[in-house]
Amino acid sequence: KQEVTQIPAALSVPEGENLVLNCSFTDSAIYNLQWFRQDPGKGLTSLLLIQSSQREQTSGRLNASLDKSSGRSTLYIAASQPGDSATYLCAVRVSFQKLVFGTGTRLLVSP
Amino acid sequence: GAVVSQHPSWVICKSGTSVKIECRSLDFQATTMFWYRQFPKQSLMLMATSNEGSKATYEQGVEKDKFLINHASLTLSTLTVTSAHPEDSSFYICSARDANRANTEAFFGQGTRLTVV
Repeated sequence: KQEVTQIPAALSVPEGENLVLNCSFTDSAIYNLQWFRQDPGKGLTSLLLIQSSQREQTSGRLNASLDKSSGRSTLYIAASQPGDSATYLCAVRVSFQKLVFGTGTRLLVSP
Repeated sequence: GAVVSQHPSWVICKSGTSVKIECRSLDFQATTMFWYRQFPKQSLMLMATSNEGSKATYEQGVEKDKFLINHASLTLSTLTVTSAHPEDSSFYICSARDANRANTEAFFGQGTRLTVV
């Protein structure tokens, strides 16, 4: 059974810092991995999608890497801003139907 | 990116009544939609997979008679919580996949906060 873990569960940083969020999964047989952002009481916004054959994806200040063999992904946020404050979720696709989500990292970026 | 619209964003209902939540793909066709449930400070749990024109597939432990799913068109799926009870209070989120995209990226609605009193 696939299990996805995110560390840390919560993170508080001052504005401007670069930071790394971690995601680990127990079964390397995945189709892809997706990083999402969730604001309080809201739905999910897709940030980056990494296919199983890819090593990383970049979008603006965000960079996500994938090491499938070791079951790890990282989301790197450069020059963090207060607007980046949210919960970040990673999810691995284990079949056509199923995404398995991590428990999330709650990020607070203070001015 | 593709847009998924979910309605209502929040609803309060009395115990014993039924509530319908709509999930629409606005700018793409979705042969498959997914319904998730999220408890406070927890992650999303898949409840069921909704297939256009056929019966939904429910995850283990999810009561199909309680959570009725209809996917009558390529752009609309509905989740009806029947005879709602306070323990059904939760955040429900739908997801849809673009039938014309090969990369299986998932797009999510804004979520519906259900409170049963």
